[in-house]
This record gives sequence, structure tokens and C-alpha cells, in this order.
Amino acid sequence: KAGVTQTPRYLIKTRGQQVTLSCSPISGHRSVSWYQQTPGQGLQFLFEYFSETQRNKGNFPGRFSGRQFSNSRSEMNVSTLELGDSALYLCASSGGGQGWSGEKLFFGSGTQLSVL
Amino acid sequence: QKEVEQDPGPLSVPEGAIVSLNCTYSNSAFQYFMWYRQYSRKGPELLMYTYSSGNKEDGRFTAQVDKSSKYISLFIRDSQPSDSATYLCAMFANQFYFGTGTSLTVIP
Repeated sequence: KAGVTQTPRYLIKTRGQQVTLSCSPISGHRSVSWYQQTPGQGLQFLFEYFSETQRNKGNFPGRFSGRQFSNSRSEMNVSTLELGDSALYLCASSGGGQGWSGEKLFFGSGTQLSVL
Repeated sequence: QKEVEQDPGPLSVPEGAIVSLNCTYSNSAFQYFMWYRQYSRKGPELLMYTYSSGNKEDGRFTAQVDKSSKYISLFIRDSQPSDSATYLCAMFANQFYFGTGTSLTVIP
């Protein structure tokens, strides 16, 4: 069974630009969540989607948004990029079930975003 | 105060040593406890998953949860150079909360 696939692996952008990251979950998984990982803050939760609906959201500004498609694939968008947005962005999938009950998360390899 | 605290290390041990990694937490609502291993330039990989207090063993790995002390541990026996990675603890209560990770190097 294929794992979680994230594209692209690397991105270089300049301040003020916007970026879209893509995530394909494990086949059959309906929940997709996104995380930002930086050396200082570690892994921080951005948001979680299930059946095309955002179910949970972390404490990030509105510049960070996402969506999920009917095939469970998800995209994350960051608008008006800032230097501090440079990070590894990780997507994780899980079965989802009835509510997000702490099921096992399976991560992709991430997209390394550098903002210059 | 962060929800989950983890000593970042780095930790360096000789091959064959027993490694102890720890996290503390403040939220008594946490019910699920996990350990992830992350190699450089890769995503975290689930190592251990526990629900309740007590011990869970899987090969060379033992996860320990003490809810009364709000303390979890991961023990690695007979450590190998391939265990060199960053280890992240994680907990769940409405969302996942992660420690910042402990960097481990096992020296041959």
C-alpha cells in the first residue's frame, strides 16, 4: 500500500508570494492533517480535514488555509509569505472514523519551504 | 507553559547501550500517547502507540506511560547505529500535540 505522498519536496519562494502544497493520503484514509515543523517550535498543528470539511484548526493566521477534495487528497495554501514561514510542512493521514479520536497518524516526507 | 515538554538533547550513546527518552505533559485530558522516529529529511514514522498507563513492548522498544505523574518514556534496548534519529513524543486530546524531539546518535 502506498504511503502518504507530498509534492513538491522542495520549494523556494520570496516574501509576499503565495504557495500551494499537495498531499495524497494512504488509500482508504479519509482524514488529512497538516503540520508545520521548525527547529525551534517543533511540530505544530495547522488543521485537519475529513470528508472535505475542516474539523479542527490550530492557532495559525488566516494566511494558512487548506481544502480537501472528494478523493481525500488535500492542498494547503499559504498566502503573502513571510520569512518566518520557512519550515518543513508535513501532511499526515489517518482513518478518520467518527470524530478525530487519536487514531494513528501516518506522515509523508514533507515539503521543505524556504522563503527568501 | 507548553503542553508537552521534551529534552532536545542531543543524546550520544555507544552501540548496545540502553537509551531512555522522556516527555512530560500538563494536560490531564491526554488519552493517547505515541512515539515517532524521524530520520533527517523524512517525515515522522510511528514507533509506539499506547492508550493507557503501563508498559508496552515491541521488540527492542518499550513505551511507558505514567498518567499520575504526567510522564512518558521510551526505552531502546541494545541500541544500534540505525536508531540514530530524532524521537518525538506525541499526545492526543482533540488534536495532536508533539514534543520538540530528542536527537539521538548511536556510535558504532
